[in-house]
Amino acid sequence: GQNIDQPTEMTATEGAIVQINCTYQTSGFNGLFWYQQHAGEAPTFLSYNVLDGLEEKGRFSSFLSRSKGYSYLLLKELQMKDSASYLCAVMDSNYQLIWGAGTKLIIKP
Amino acid sequence: GAVVSQHPSWVICKSGTSVKIECRSLDFQATTMFWYRQFPKQSLMLMATSNEGSKATYEQGVEKDKFLINHASLTLSTLTVTSAHPEDSSFYICSARDPSGSWQFFGPGTRLTVL
Repeated sequence: GQNIDQPTEMTATEGAIVQINCTYQTSGFNGLFWYQQHAGEAPTFLSYNVLDGLEEKGRFSSFLSRSKGYSYLLLKELQMKDSASYLCAVMDSNYQLIWGAGTKLIIKP
Repeated sequence: GAVVSQHPSWVICKSGTSVKIECRSLDFQATTMFWYRQFPKQSLMLMATSNEGSKATYEQGVEKDKFLINHASLTLSTLTVTSAHPEDSSFYICSARDPSGSWQFFGPGTRLTVL
C-alpha cells in the first residue's frame, strides 16, 4: 500500500531552526510537495521536489532523496507565525496526491 | 499564481437537507478537480476525482449517491452533500489540476456544520 510518515508534533523556539522529516512508500513518484496549513484554512504551497537535492526558498528549504524515499522541510529563523501544520504529499504514478497526516509545529517564544 | 475559489466559505444546515459547494478555477482551465474532506486534527482525505464531462471517480468508502459531483465545465465543479447528517460536518476543500498536470491549486475550503 501507499504510506507517508511524518512526526505528529514538534516544538521549537522562536529564532531557531527545525527540520520536519517525511518518509514515503508510493506506487510511482512524480514529485513531493510540502504544504503549510494554519488551523481552519486550506493548505498553502511551500515547495516541490522531483529531483534529489536541496531546494532553498528564503527561510524554508526542502530536501529529497528518491532512493531513500525521504524528504525534509527545514525552517530557519523561526517566527511565531510559522506555528502551523506542515503536510508532506507525494504525487503518485496517477498524478494523485497522497497525503501524510501532517506535523503540528508549535513555536515557543 | 493560479486562483481557485470555493463558495460558500461556510454553511450551517439542518440534518436531512442538501448542501451544494462550488469550486471554480478562476484563471485556468481544469479538466481535473479534486474534492477533499478534512476532519479536525486530521489530514486531508481525498473523496473523489472530478473529470470534466465524465463521471467522478470516488475513493473507497465514499458514497457516490450521497456526495454528488458535477464537473460540467472546465472551470466549475460542484459537490452536493445530500441528506446531510451531523457526521458530515467537516472542512471540504477542492483543488484544481493545472493543464501541465503537475500542480494542484487549492480552494480556500468550505466549513460545513450540520445541526
